[in-house]
Amino acid sequence: GAVVSQHPSRVICKSGTSVKIECRSLDFQATTMFWYRQFPKQSLMLMATSNEGSKATYEQGVEKDKFLINHASLTLSTLTVTSAHPEDSSFYICSARGGQGALGEQFFGPGTRLTVL
Amino acid sequence: AQSVTQLDSQVPVFEEAPVELRCNYSSSVSVYLFWYVQYPNQGLQLLLKYLSGSTLVKGINGFEAEFNKSQTSFHLRKPSVHISDTAEYFCAVILLTGGGNKLTFGTGTQLKVEL
Repeated sequence: GAVVSQHPSRVICKSGTSVKIECRSLDFQATTMFWYRQFPKQSLMLMATSNEGSKATYEQGVEKDKFLINHASLTLSTLTVTSAHPEDSSFYICSARGGQGALGEQFFGPGTRLTVL
Repeated sequence: AQSVTQLDSQVPVFEEAPVELRCNYSSSVSVYLFWYVQYPNQGLQLLLKYLSGSTLVKGINGFEAEFNKSQTSFHLRKPSVHISDTAEYFCAVILLTGGGNKLTFGTGTQLKVEL
């Protein structure tokens, strides 16, 4: 089946620094990529949707200047958490979809655990 | 607005016993329905999905779910669970009109299978 990887799997950073998380579709071309945030014992909350070569569409309440998303190629999307603070600590999950519309299955990466000290 | 409700946050069950994980959704339009499983420190994996057709959907690992439009439910079932089924299970929906084909997830149900 299709594989989506994320790097790093875990990252610890100091408050005020920026962190970049990579999401790659390893064996298919992802026309659309999604970034989610998951708090402990809670659901996945969609942060933004990005289509290759286009600007990301952010969900209401998500600061686009804080969570920079780049989808420069059909196999790579990056999420940069700028000027991270302890409240940004969370589990970030990316997902990639190759097909068109809702019938295209979304494949999820293993997630990145971000801890901001 | 659409929402997905998973009524049980945790479901303990003994090995080889049957299990049902409940999911209800609220939407005034048609939806696609999904169940995902998340094992510790891993990404979500699709168990099964309902798009159209037969309301009884069979998925991987012996799981099945039934779409009940009148009760707006999509409960997940397995007749005999195994220790390896211990994981977090998420129900999710896609609103077919105006929703941008975005998955909306429930809060998850932790299935714990005990010997």
